Amino acid sequence: GAVVSQHPSWVICKSGTSVKIECRSLDFQATTMFWYRQFPKQSLMLMATSNEGSKATYEQGVEKDKFLINHASLTLSTLTVTSAHPEDSSFYICSARTGRTQAFFGQGTRLTVV
Amino acid sequence: AQRVTQPEKLLSVFKGAPVELKCNYSYSGSPELFWYVQYSRQRLQLLLRHISRESIKGFTADLNKGETSFHLKKPFAQEEDSAMYYCALTLGNTGKLIFGQGTTLQVKP
Repeated sequence: GAVVSQHPSWVICKSGTSVKIECRSLDFQATTMFWYRQFPKQSLMLMATSNEGSKATYEQGVEKDKFLINHASLTLSTLTVTSAHPEDSSFYICSARTGRTQAFFGQGTRLTVV
Repeated sequence: AQRVTQPEKLLSVFKGAPVELKCNYSYSGSPELFWYVQYSRQRLQLLLRHISRESIKGFTADLNKGETSFHLKKPFAQEEDSAMYYCALTLGNTGKLIFGQGTTLQVKP
């Protein structure tokens, strides 16, 4: 199957700093990428949908100025957590798909804000 | 509102026993439902989707629109089936997935 890679796999940052997480589709062109957040022992919650070359669509309750999403190419989307705080600590997962195919998931990024 | 409910956080069975992981959904449109699996230290991966009507690794799931359910079943559980299972619903053509809370399946030897 298709491969989606996230980088970094884990990151620790200081409160108030910004962190960028990359999501790459390695062997296919992803017209749409999705960003999810997962709290410990809880389900995945969709944060936003990004289509290549257009602005991301955020789910209700997700602050777009806090979680900046850029989908500049068909193989790369980035999520930047701006001015991170401890409550932003979580597991962030991206998925990518092309057309109406199934979505493929990245391995996730564990963010810890101290 | 769209919702996926998996009532069991943990399901523990012995090897060879039948397994049924429950999933109920709430969606006003025509649903497309999936089961995803996450093995230990691995990424989430698609197990099966209702439109395929296929059996993967011995698992099957039938969409019951009357009961709004999509339960995952396997007649004889194997130890390698131990994992976290998520039921998910996609919203129309958007590709957005709404996940259930997940059920940990533990298959004991």
